[in-house]
Amino acid sequence: GNSVTQMEGPVTLSEEAFLTINCTYTATGYPSLFWYVQYPGEGLQLLLKATKADDKGSNKGFEATYRKETTSFHLEKGSVQVSDSAVYFCALSDTGGFKTIFGAGTRLFVKA
Amino acid sequence: NAGVTQTPKFQVLKTGQSMTLQCAQDMNHEYMSWYRQDPGMGLRLIHYSVGAGITDQGEVPNGYNVSRSTTEDFPLRLLSAAPSQTSVYFCASKSGTNTGELFFGEGSRLTVL
Repeated sequence: GNSVTQMEGPVTLSEEAFLTINCTYTATGYPSLFWYVQYPGEGLQLLLKATKADDKGSNKGFEATYRKETTSFHLEKGSVQVSDSAVYFCALSDTGGFKTIFGAGTRLFVKA
Repeated sequence: NAGVTQTPKFQVLKTGQSMTLQCAQDMNHEYMSWYRQDPGMGLRLIHYSVGAGITDQGEVPNGYNVSRSTTEDFPLRLLSAAPSQTSVYFCASKSGTNTGELFFGEGSRLTVL
């Protein structure tokens, strides 16, 4: 079945550091890939998405590229801020769109 | 905009009690789903619905029932709560395409004693 694996956290960075959170997936067909973010006490919200191979999703300085050859969708940001502290989830939606599968989540702490 | 609304936000149950978590959306989304979030396990899909009158099982459906009588509402029922169902529950909806994003409610924290 489909699955998503992302790096374990927590990840602790200083402000303005470079961020990478690794995500790999296993899927049949043509899945869409997503990064969601969860701030304390809130539900998840979409950060970015990519719907086909080689697409790059980007938003708020974050970006991720859909790599079919390496089955990866790593999240990157060049300069993190304290306000980026949150839990980040990599997710995959199957070809039919019926089931979205999430990774375990990676907690990010950014220190001032 | 209300978006996806879940009630209650917090609930404490005793083992064996029943309850319903309510979920309503005002975006006219065809697709609705329920997830549970547990530490270190991410979100796991319980049940989903692609339209009124149509429901199907996700990854962890045991112990939960759902129904979809209207487009707007998708309640999740626990018929006989167990401590293993202590979790945070999220309802999510989306328009009916696989590229669409999920819109989440704020969550319902359930504790079963």
